[in-house]
Amino acid sequence: SQTIHQWPATLVQPVGSPLSLECTVEGTSNPNLYWYRQAAGRGLQLLFYSVGIGQISSEVPQNLSASRPQDRQFILSSKKLLLSDSGFYLCAWSPLGTFNQPQHFGDGTRLSIL
Amino acid sequence: ELKVEQNPLFLSMQEGKNYTIYCNYSTTSDRLYWYRQDPGKSLESLFVLLSNGAVKQEGRLMASLDTKARLSTLHITAAVHDLSATYFCAGGGANSKLTFGKGITLSVRP
Repeated sequence: SQTIHQWPATLVQPVGSPLSLECTVEGTSNPNLYWYRQAAGRGLQLLFYSVGIGQISSEVPQNLSASRPQDRQFILSSKKLLLSDSGFYLCAWSPLGTFNQPQHFGDGTRLSIL
Repeated sequence: ELKVEQNPLFLSMQEGKNYTIYCNYSTTSDRLYWYRQDPGKSLESLFVLLSNGAVKQEGRLMASLDTKARLSTLHITAAVHDLSATYFCAGGGANSKLTFGKGITLSVRP
């Protein structure tokens, strides 16, 4: 069966520090991968998605970036965090080329910027 | 650009009663998803609705899709405390991208 892992689960970082969040998927190949952010008490905002290694699409302008160095690894990064980067970051995957299945979410990383 | 609306943002339900919540979307979307989120947790997939008239049921929850009205409903039968959570609907786009509504937080009271 397929599983998705995110780490760390929680993170407290000072403003201006760098960020690296990692997501890996097991049990499938060539997945679509997604990064979402959920601000407190609000809906999900799609940040990045990827349909293959090295292929990243950005949905909103921001100081975050994403990379996909391996088929089942998705990394969210920042060189300098802002206060507005606080939130709940969720990684998700879906099977490539199929639209009749939902996206499956990881457990998320709760990021607090001080 | 697909927009998804859920109203109200919060709904207090009485245990044992039936309720329906709604999800409207702005443009053609050939699939609609429902997710559940418990406080502090991730999202759990509930239903995938792929065609006009599709109906899915799981326990006390039943979801349906009307693509002509651009409307999906989630019907709750005999609400119980365990159903207290935030429910999101999402419309599907290219590359399996989803556009989420803001979610409806349901609270079931005795």
